[in-house]
This record gives sequence, C-alpha cells and structure tokens, in this order.
Amino acid sequence: EAQVTQNPRYLITVTGKKLTVTCSQNMNHEYMSWYRQDPGLGLRQIYYSMNVEVTDKGDVPEGYKVSRKEKRNFPLILESPSPNQTSLYFCASSSTAGTGFSGANVLTFGAGSRLTVL
Amino acid sequence: GQNIDQPTEMTATEGAIVQINCTYQTSGFNGLFWYQQHAGEAPTFLSYNVLDGLEEKGRFSSFLSRSKGYSYLLLKELQMKDSASYLCAVRDSNYQLIWGAGTKLIIKP
Repeated sequence: EAQVTQNPRYLITVTGKKLTVTCSQNMNHEYMSWYRQDPGLGLRQIYYSMNVEVTDKGDVPEGYKVSRKEKRNFPLILESPSPNQTSLYFCASSSTAGTGFSGANVLTFGAGSRLTVL
Repeated sequence: GQNIDQPTEMTATEGAIVQINCTYQTSGFNGLFWYQQHAGEAPTFLSYNVLDGLEEKGRFSSFLSRSKGYSYLLLKELQMKDSASYLCAVRDSNYQLIWGAGTKLIIKP
C-alpha cells in the first residue's frame, strides 16, 4: 500500500530532551515536507526537501532540523524541544513540486504525530 | 504578505447543499487545492483548479476565479460523513503551498 509512515504517533516529552520524528514514504517521491498544525492556524511548513540531500526552510523552521540522506526518509529533529513546539505534526510527500498537474503533485500525508512538550 | 481566508465554521443539514468560500492573496498562482480533514486525521485531496471555471467530481465541485482571487467548494446531498474541516491551499510562484486555516463543517440531521 502506498503510504507515508510517521513515528511516533503520540509523544509526551520534557523541555530540552532531544527527539526525532521519523517519516518514510514508499512511493519513490522526490518531494517531502514537514508541517505543523495548531488550532486556528493553517498548516505551516517547517522544512521541505525537493530531492535527496536538498532541504530548505519553510515558514517556521526555528527549533527544528531535518535531513534527507535517502529518498524515502525525511526525519524531523527537535534538538531542544520547548513547550511552544507542542503541536500536531504532519509529514507529506509528492512525486515532484513542479509545474502542472498530472496527478503527480498531490500531497500524500502521514497520519500525524501529536507531540506534547512539558 | 500571503493570505488565504476561509470561514472558520459552517453548519448545514443532511441532504442539503453547502458552499465553502476561499479568497486568497499570494505571490503568484500555480493552482488551488481543496483537502478534506476529519478530526484527528490526515488531510486528503479533494480537488484542484488551475484554470477559471468549475470542476465537478461527484457530489463535490470546485470553482475558481483567478481575477477575483476566489474559489469555492460546493458539496451536494450532504451526508453525516461530510462533517470535517475543509482546507484551501494555493501553490505560489515558488511552487510552495500556502494553506488557509480550514473551515469546520458541521452536518446536522
């Protein structure tokens, strides 16, 4: 089954304790992205990657890191989590982030990771 | 700045029709998407418009006017399972998606 898999789905942690949220897709997609979703706000992009070894900051990158060493994986790293990073996180992927629409640019989302930082 | 506006919440009756509006101001335009998101779940793709006009897909239709920076999602023959949030997103000149905050649609029997 074509899917984006995120882990963990739920996590409660404490301020300053480094954590990684993994994201893996099995669709050979070039483009991957991380979003956070908070009540009353739209999805806000944290980081994105157009392809292996290519990553760029989104709208809210502060406090986060990412890496794209292989095509299928795009982990999100919180080096020193703080309470304002409590949120619902989504990883998403698409075939490309290019022009046009052939069904290839629709984002497929993971199930989400609900993170609470105390 | 870039901005997507949609109503926060709407209520409709089972079997009726509802129209969810979305207005946008973005740097460039490379298409507009509608996604459905049930509570606690991931967004799923509903429709895409890049040219002006109406795109129909079963009970759901989406309309775009680029000159007005306006789109709407029309849901017909509403069912209880249509209770969800509906997200409008615009792909800007850098091919990045700008998201609205979503419209929570409540369906009453």
